[in-house]
Amino acid sequence: QVQLQESGPGLVKPSETLSLTCTVSGGSISSYYWSWIRQPAGKGLEWIGRIYTSGSTNYNPSLKSRVTMSVDTSKNQFSLKLSSVTAADTAVYYCAREKIAYYFDYWGQGTLVTVSS
Amino acid sequence: QSALTQPASVSGSPGQSITISCTGTSSDVGSYNLVSWYQQHPGKAPKLMIYEVSERPSGVSNRFSGSKSGNTASLTISGLQAEDEADYYCCSYAGSSAVVFGGGTKLTVL
Repeated sequence: QVQLQESGPGLVKPSETLSLTCTVSGGSISSYYWSWIRQPAGKGLEWIGRIYTSGSTNYNPSLKSRVTMSVDTSKNQFSLKLSSVTAADTAVYYCAREKIAYYFDYWGQGTLVTVSS
Repeated sequence: QSALTQPASVSGSPGQSITISCTGTSSDVGSYNLVSWYQQHPGKAPKLMIYEVSERPSGVSNRFSGSKSGNTASLTISGLQAEDEADYYCCSYAGSSAVVFGGGTKLTVL
């Protein structure tokens, strides 16, 4: 059974860079797409972007200028960096496995990131 | 791309059937049979319920079904049970390698 676990700081200062890592266990990270999705408190889901294990990426156009994703297949991990954060970036961040038909079949438990000074 | 449109809330009594709509445009829902649905209980991660409009993952009850007509996709839950009370989100491929979610629908089982 594939399991995903997000990790990273729960508090980030405005204008700084949010950094999260997702560790995949119970299966190989190779040959799959891996995505980041976020959810502000009481609000809906927002797709941030995806990375393939080759390193190719696709980002949400609304966040593209601030997002960088990377993958480390040797550690079965992939990562998210979101720069120049503001309070609007406060949310629960989920990592998920994305299938070729653009759906998410495995999700992490989510991690709350608060942007505040 | 803009979020897909879902009703904010729906409700039904145990045993009844309900349908949640998800309206997009000809650039997303209307152009691709790549709509998925997720169930989210409070404080939990979303769970995949339907993919590719009407396909059900292994382990998901056959009380859940999906369909699509034009720019609108639908999730139907038959034989409502108390455990179905949750938030439901639709998601569609929107072209240019992007996906878009709906705003979510809160299902209340009366």
